[in-house]
Amino acid sequence: QQQVKQSPQSLIVQKGGISIINCAYENTAFDYFPWYQQFPGKGPALLIAIRPDVSEKKEGRFTISFNKSAKQFSLHIMDSQPGDSATYFCAATVLSSNYQLIWGAGTKLIIKP
Amino acid sequence: DSGVTQTPKHLITATGQRVTLRCSPRSGDLSVYWYQQSLDQGLQFLIQYYNGEERAKGNILERFSAQQFPDLHSELNLSSLELGDSALYFCASSVGLGGDGYEQYFGPGTRLTVT
Repeated sequence: QQQVKQSPQSLIVQKGGISIINCAYENTAFDYFPWYQQFPGKGPALLIAIRPDVSEKKEGRFTISFNKSAKQFSLHIMDSQPGDSATYFCAATVLSSNYQLIWGAGTKLIIKP
Repeated sequence: DSGVTQTPKHLITATGQRVTLRCSPRSGDLSVYWYQQSLDQGLQFLIQYYNGEERAKGNILERFSAQQFPDLHSELNLSSLELGDSALYFCASSVGLGGDGYEQYFGPGTRLTVT
């Protein structure tokens, strides 16, 4: 019940296309869903996060879509650029608890020029 | 730059040895987390400290231990090292345990190679 399932494991998108990464969870107590971006040899960095009281959050070319009833959330990268090539991790937690993030397995995204 | 510092950046050692990884959290952050990331793998949560006290344990081996000091820096001790311990070790910090202090900021990591 604590798992966060992330798909796909890897993704290749043409420059200018839309990259979509999906995550699903079981624990209905989760109330904070961040996405982290990690470049090779670097630590993960928070990209964008959403609370379950909204269905969508957009920051620039990055959008999180959240479906509470389906217990799913996804990251959309619009107009994908080669600089977006990285590994993306979704995560979830219960904010009122000890804030231990439950991580997805990661998606390696490659944007082809 | 996240404000979290980790030393050393790289570490090469032999099987059976013991090493210490160091982490300094962002100024003002009380919570420190340690993660292990093996090659092309996800992040495995090891352990969390808050203001000097252990608060949560994940998949941390008995050969590994950690502590957080009064100045809030943390050290991860890895002993009786095995080849399989070769990985990137990340430290992250956050302001608190949850609620308003929920964002985790990651350091650049320490790459450990056991030969």
